[in-house]
Amino acid sequence: EVQLVESGGGLVQPGGSLRLSCAVSGFTFSDYAITWVRQAPGKGLEWVSTISGSGGTTYFADSVKGRFTISRDNSKNTVYLQTNILRAEDTAIYYCAKGTSYANYMDVWGKGTTVTVSS
Amino acid sequence: EIVLTQSPATLSLSPGERATLSCRASPSVSSYLAWYQQKPGQAPRLLIYDASNRATGIPARFSGSGSGTDFTLTISSLEPEDFAVYYCQQRTHWPLTFGPGTKVDIK
Repeated sequence: EVQLVESGGGLVQPGGSLRLSCAVSGFTFSDYAITWVRQAPGKGLEWVSTISGSGGTTYFADSVKGRFTISRDNSKNTVYLQTNILRAEDTAIYYCAKGTSYANYMDVWGKGTTVTVSS
Repeated sequence: EIVLTQSPATLSLSPGERATLSCRASPSVSSYLAWYQQKPGQAPRLLIYDASNRATGIPARFSGSGSGTDFTLTISSLEPEDFAVYYCQQRTHWPLTFGPGTKVDIK
């Protein structure tokens, strides 16, 4: 069974940092891109970042560029989203999702981890 | 950035009725559009990809159509479990973008 499990969320002060993890199982990890999507309370979905299967290519939304980084450890089947200089508007549920084999759609999602940025 | 607009914002229907949801892209996204369903407290689920292809395990009552700038998700006969929020997403250009969503609720 394909599974993605996020962790690392929590309460952080503005300007702080968190490292989110996405541990995956049930498929050949290095064959697929992984994407982070977030959802602010009561709002819609916002794409955050994508990393290719090899880890050699990354993409970021303008809203997080320069503050967030993404990486993957293919030996641990884990993707990391390092979030820095956090702002109140980064408060959201952060989902990681597996990319489809054919395109940048997301066909399996984790349950999400909640990040709250507040003083 | 490609902007996706969804209409209506809310669709109030009864079980058994047909639901027609719209997603408009600006500029064109060719056929590179997906639809997702999200229920309260759950992660999104991929329903349709490349405008008209059902994802694995998606019932046949869900269908997608369109190309270019205008797309439609149709639910032929609403089941109780279909009441949810539906989002479209394009993958033509970075950044990936989602529409604001259409909520299908019970009339």
